Formats: sequence, structure tokens, C-alpha cells
Amino acid sequence: EVQLVESGGGFIQPGGSLRLSCAASGFTFSSYTMGWVRQAPGRGLGWVSDINPSGGRTYYADSVRGRFTISRDNSKNTLYLQMNSLRVEDTAVYYCAKAKDIGSSYDYWGQGALVTVSS
Amino acid sequence: DMQMSQSPSSLSAFVGDRVTITCRASRGIANKLAWYQQRPGKVPNLLIYAASTLQSGVPSRFSASASGTDFTLTISSLQPEDVATYYCQNYDDAPLTFGGGTKVEI
Repeated sequence: EVQLVESGGGFIQPGGSLRLSCAASGFTFSSYTMGWVRQAPGRGLGWVSDINPSGGRTYYADSVRGRFTISRDNSKNTLYLQMNSLRVEDTAVYYCAKAKDIGSSYDYWGQGALVTVSS
Repeated sequence: DMQMSQSPSSLSAFVGDRVTITCRASRGIANKLAWYQQRPGKVPNLLIYAASTLQSGVPSRFSASASGTDFTLTISSLQPEDVATYYCQNYDDAPLTFGGGTKVEI
């Protein structure tokens, strides 16, 4: 059974940093593109970032490029999102998601990690 | 930048009704479009990929089609468990934009 479990969310002041982790199991992690999608309270889904299976190619939404860094450790079956220079508008539930294929839709999602940025 | 325009933003229908949601891409995306269902308080769930392919385990009352840059999700007979917000997503190229969502109520 595919499982994606996020951790690392919490409350942080504007300008601060946080790192999210996503522990994956139930599939060959190193073979799949992974991504992060966020959802602000009461709002729609917003794509954040993707990383290819090897970790050699990364993609970002304009709103986070230069502040967030996606990475993965295939030996630990873990996906990361390093978030720096956090803003109030980054407040959201952050979902880790597995792609069906390279450059594909997301067929499995984690339960999400809440990040609250507030002074 | 890629835009995905989804309509309507909300709708209310009766059990058994046929419901249609549309999504329009601002440029061609080679049918690299997915539809997701998000029930209240739950995680998004993949319904359709490649514009019209039903994901395994999804009820057959869900279907989808494409015509150029216009995409349609149809629920043939609305059920109470279909109360949710539905999102389209482009995955042709980054940014992998989501539509704004359609909230479906009974």
C-alpha cells in the first residue's frame, strides 16, 4: 500500500525557515517524480514544486522560486521541501504527492502538513 | 504563464442529475490534463488523467472529454457522495497549474 507521510509543519514567523519531510513507502520511490501542492485555508489547490526521480531536475511555481528548495533522498525514501524567507501568504496545508509517471498527474497524496506563517 | 479557467465555480444539483464541469487551458497542453475530487476535509483524489482516462477504482459515472484546449468532466448521475470540490490540473509543463475549483452541492 502506498503511503506518504508529511512532517515538519508548524508555526513560524515571517522571514523564518522550515523544512518539510515526506516519508514514502509501498512503492519504488526512486522511480517516480514527486511533488508538493499546497492549499491555503478555504482556498483551492496550488502547485508548488516537482522533482524528477533522480533529483537532477526540479521545477517551481513562480511564487516560491528562489525561496523554496525541493530535494529527495532516494536511499531514505524521503522527499523534502526547504522553505526559506517565509511569508504570511505561504500559510497553507502542504501535500506531498506521487506522480503516476514522469511528467504526469498525481495518483497518491499524503495527509498534509500545516504551515502557519504569522507574527 | 499558463492559465486554467474552470467553470462554474459552484453548482447545486439533485441526486440523479447529470453534472458538467469545464476547464479551459490558455494554450495547448496535449491532453495532459487531470481531474481531482476533494471531498470536504479530505485529501484530493485523482479521478481522470490524460484528459479522458478513468483512474482505477473510480466509479464509471465519472467521465471526461477534450476538444482542443477545452476539457469537460461529467458526472452522469450525481450521488450524495459526490459532494466535493473538483479541480482540473495541467501537467504538460511547469507550472503545473490547477483550475480554481468547482464546488458541487446537492
